Amino acid sequence: GQNIDQPTEMTATEGAIVQINCTYQTSGFNGLFWYQQHAGEAPTFLSYNVLDGLEEKGRFSSFLSRSKGYSYLLLKELQMKDSASYLCAVMGSNYQLIWGAGTKLIIKP
Amino acid sequence: GAVVSQHPSWVICKSGTSVKIECRSLDFQATTMFWYRQFPKQSLMLMATSNEGSKATYEQGVEKDKFLINHASLTLSTLTVTSAHPEDSSFYICSAREARLDAGELFFGEGSRLTVL
Repeated sequence: GQNIDQPTEMTATEGAIVQINCTYQTSGFNGLFWYQQHAGEAPTFLSYNVLDGLEEKGRFSSFLSRSKGYSYLLLKELQMKDSASYLCAVMGSNYQLIWGAGTKLIIKP
Repeated sequence: GAVVSQHPSWVICKSGTSVKIECRSLDFQATTMFWYRQFPKQSLMLMATSNEGSKATYEQGVEKDKFLINHASLTLSTLTVTSAHPEDSSFYICSAREARLDAGELFFGEGSRLTVL
């Protein structure tokens, strides 16, 4: 079967760094996405990795290891507005997205 | 970046009526659009894949006669919830992918919140 695992909830302190992990088992791979979703809103795109390695974009970075079926999203200099759910999704061989359940990130002052 | 627009943003309807939700790609052509449903505190659930000019592909457990999908052009897909019931109340989101082979990113609409009384 296909599945994506990520922690249900994480807590971090404002100004700190947090890493959200995602492991996956899918039939086919055409890239891995990270999305941010605030309650009641549609997800917003954060990153897309299709090759191994680290992609940095401002305070957010995303890493992929295809051989290990593993990715992480790294958030630096955390701000209160970063409190949200972070969704890991893999695009399978048929170009459909397989979604993780999301990680709720709670930022404390 | 590319923009996907959904309409309406929210709708309240009576049980038994039908509701149509539109998904438009505003500045790009999308041969494929995806429709998702999200219940409170749950992840996005793919309902169907909408292909321009052909029948939609529905996920297991999604009633194709209840959730009618039409993708008549490269920039518009519609989802019609027929004979809506309170249990259909949810957040419906569409996404679109550019019509080119190396397109990776999916662009999401703002979502449509349906409340069935």
